[in-house]
Amino acid sequence: GQQLNQSPQSMFIQEGEDVSMNCTSSSIFNTWLWYKQEPGEGPVLLIALYKAGELTSNGRLTAQFGITRKDSFLNISASIPSDVGIYFCAGLIQGAQKLVFGQGTRLTINP
Amino acid sequence: NAGVMQNPRHLVRRRGQEARLRCSPMKGHSHVYWYRQLPEEGLKFMVYLQKENIIDESGMPKERFSAEFPKEGPSILRIQQVVRGDSAAYFCASSPNPGNYPKEQYFGPGTRLTVT
Repeated sequence: GQQLNQSPQSMFIQEGEDVSMNCTSSSIFNTWLWYKQEPGEGPVLLIALYKAGELTSNGRLTAQFGITRKDSFLNISASIPSDVGIYFCAGLIQGAQKLVFGQGTRLTINP
Repeated sequence: NAGVMQNPRHLVRRRGQEARLRCSPMKGHSHVYWYRQLPEEGLKFMVYLQKENIIDESGMPKERFSAEFPKEGPSILRIQQVVRGDSAAYFCASSPNPGNYPKEQYFGPGTRLTVT
């Protein structure tokens, strides 16, 4: 089945630093979604990407849909304590409606 | 505008009992998806339903698990004769018509099932 490899698995950073994480796959995806999950809650949608090469921002978050359609990255600029959580990438394959999720990147911020 | 609602938030069952998890999609959404999440892992797709129809159940275990989305009322994920390995967080998501853009899926808060 399709798999998404998300890296890094965890990050420990200082408040104010920029963060970068990415997802890669051997399969082509038509849609990339980035979610954030906090303890005891469901994933919250951050950014949706629909076209190869697309670069989309949501406040301090920026995500890109890779040209090959097999990868995506998420950047967070000037991190703040409320950015703490687990970030997941998820992809949709042409003709399918089931999301394939990465393993998540756990972000910890030292104030 | 209420989001996706799931209940109960926490459910404890003894081995062999049945678990029923409920999901009400966002207003205006007629497509529902169920996912399972084990600790420290990503979400895994189980089943995709429209009203009164199962569209894709490729991620659903063949035995003991079933799902429905009736014409009236919430979607139900039913697990019969639960075993310890069924302990997980179960998330429901909904979307408007996924054949068109946007294709985002919005998640509920989840039901945490513990089998003792």
